[in-house]
Amino acid sequence: AQKITQTQPGMFVQEKEAVTLDCTYDTSDPSYGLFWYKQPSSGEMIFLIYQGSYDQQNATEGRYSLNFQKARKSANLVISASQLGDSAMYFCAMREGGRGSTLGRLYFGRGTQLTVWP
Amino acid sequence: DADVTQTPRNRITKTGKRIMLECSQTKGHDRMYWYRQDPGLGLQLIYYSFDVKDINKGEISDGYSVSRQAQAKFSLSLESAIPNQTALYFCATSDLQGSGELFFGEGSRLTVL
Repeated sequence: AQKITQTQPGMFVQEKEAVTLDCTYDTSDPSYGLFWYKQPSSGEMIFLIYQGSYDQQNATEGRYSLNFQKARKSANLVISASQLGDSAMYFCAMREGGRGSTLGRLYFGRGTQLTVWP
Repeated sequence: DADVTQTPRNRITKTGKRIMLECSQTKGHDRMYWYRQDPGLGLQLIYYSFDVKDINKGEISDGYSVSRQAQAKFSLSLESAIPNQTALYFCATSDLQGSGELFFGEGSRLTVL
């Protein structure tokens, strides 16, 4: 089974509007971390935001927020006030185990291509 | 200069050739990874290493090998390249004490003809 599922291959949003990118995850480990990365057309991977499974508050970083619904196993990324430069591929990822876990690696979803139009 | 450096950035080669992708890092992290990205498939883990003496296979290690020459260097080899190994390859590092966030190199685009 997929550990990370992103069901939206593509999303479109008008500039200055908010957009939500969906991510669901699958793990039986009570300790895990969730990440979002952005990949612009130039190809580099840019870290956006992190949420730990025991964090009480939803993570926020500037215009990015992570809507963490533990019971639903979802970790949706919300981008407020979209900008043309937000057009990119977005990946959701998960670390199983606690910080520093020997499990270590991240599992990635297949990504969502976001297009922001003027 | 980038904290995680990959060479070469682009490479075109022929079927059957041996290829090495190199990765070096200045972040001082013990953990290093090689991922492969194919369109529509996200990133898949090829190999990872938690220290110089530790090498682990990921989901798609067949056809690849790695060498951890030092804490800062982790190279990926394709002994006999084939066309379906055409992809974007990423090296990444992470801090043992951190959240697990991966710090990526800029990627190496490999084309096998």
